Amino acid sequence: EAQVTQNPRYLITVTGKKLTVTCSQNMNHEYMSWYRQDPGLGLRQIYYSMNVEVTDKGDVPEGYKVSRKEKRNFPLILESPSPNQTSLYFCATRPSGRAEAFFGQGTRLTVV
Amino acid sequence: GDSVTQMEGPVTLSEEAFLTINCTYTATGYPSLFWYVQYPGEGLQLLLKATKADDKGSNKGFEATYRKETTSFHLEKGSVQVSDSAVYFCALSDVGSQGNLIFGKGTKLSVKP
Repeated sequence: EAQVTQNPRYLITVTGKKLTVTCSQNMNHEYMSWYRQDPGLGLRQIYYSMNVEVTDKGDVPEGYKVSRKEKRNFPLILESPSPNQTSLYFCATRPSGRAEAFFGQGTRLTVV
Repeated sequence: GDSVTQMEGPVTLSEEAFLTINCTYTATGYPSLFWYVQYPGEGLQLLLKATKADDKGSNKGFEATYRKETTSFHLEKGSVQVSDSAVYFCALSDVGSQGNLIFGKGTKLSVKP
């Protein structure tokens, strides 16, 4: 079954404690991206990757890092989380030449 | 830059009512247009899409037509069900930015029995 898997689904952490949210896909898609969803703001792109070792900033990259060492994985790293990064995060993938994306189930992050 | 504007919610309807959620876009090129749906506690799922002017996307009784002249992609359904309660997002694929998706802010739909 084609899947985009995020872990964890829920996370409560404290300010400044480094964390990683993982994203893994089994569809062999080249493109992967991260979004955050906030009330009244919709989804905003954080980072994206066109392929292995190729990453680029989206609209709201401050405070986040990503890496793409393997095609199937695209972790989101928060080196020093702050309360304004409390949000619902989604990973998405799509194949080359296609416009529609496939989304993970989401990770609800709370930073206190 | 490219952008998507969709009607503010929430929208509350009775079962079997007609649904319209308005969506307009601004784009320099000829983007693909999408409607995504997010059911409670879940990720986004593609509901329908249209890739060029006058295309009609349809799925699960929902329809939307790509109107270049009015830069619109309104979502419609003739008879909603309680199970249609969800948040609906209009989106475009930004041809000038590696095909990244640009989303509207979402419209929450609640359907009452």
